[in-house]
Amino acid sequence: DGGITQSPKYLFRKEGQNVTLSCEQNLNHDAMYWYRQDPGQGLRLIYYSQIVNDFQKGDIAEGYSVSREKKESFPLTVTSAQKNPTAFYLCASRPVVGLNEKLFFGSGTQLSVL
Amino acid sequence: GENVEQHPSTLSVQEGDSAVIKCTYSDSASNYFPWYKQELGKGPQLIIDIRSNVGEKKDQRIAVTLNKTAKHFSLHITETQPEDSAVYFCAASPIQGAQKLVFGQGTRLTINP
Repeated sequence: DGGITQSPKYLFRKEGQNVTLSCEQNLNHDAMYWYRQDPGQGLRLIYYSQIVNDFQKGDIAEGYSVSREKKESFPLTVTSAQKNPTAFYLCASRPVVGLNEKLFFGSGTQLSVL
Repeated sequence: GENVEQHPSTLSVQEGDSAVIKCTYSDSASNYFPWYKQELGKGPQLIIDIRSNVGEKKDQRIAVTLNKTAKHFSLHITETQPEDSAVYFCAASPIQGAQKLVFGQGTRLTINP
């Protein structure tokens, strides 16, 4: 099946620890995105990438880092600098680099702080 | 930058009745307005979208209307069914800059049997 796979589904972080969320897509999409979802706040953009080896900060990039070494993979690292990391994290992709295209989302990772 | 406001935050309707969710946006340059449905524990899925050169679009029981002058757009669901229960997000895409969407805060729709 084609789609976006996020793992793990649930993740726990200890104080001072970096954690990495995985996002893999087999849709051959060029653009990939990371969103953070908090209750009552909708989806906020963390980072996005339009092409391999290139990415840009979104609205809430502080405390996060990404890489895009392969077209199909866009991992997100939540660093210890992110003081309030508890949230639902969604990865998404788009089929082409351009305007106004449909976003395809993964099933998300729930990150909690121990 | 773009700002999208969505109302109401929660909506409860009887099965078979209609549901309406409204969004306003701030950037008059926005030209693409999608609606996403998110079921519990899953990622959002696109259910319908509209572009600024169209005033209304329908897909079976779902319709979206756009008023560019007033900068607002609405989602209409008719003959609601229990499977329509979910969180719905509107979004707007600005023309300039990156191809990123700005989302509303979401509406939790509950269909009562």
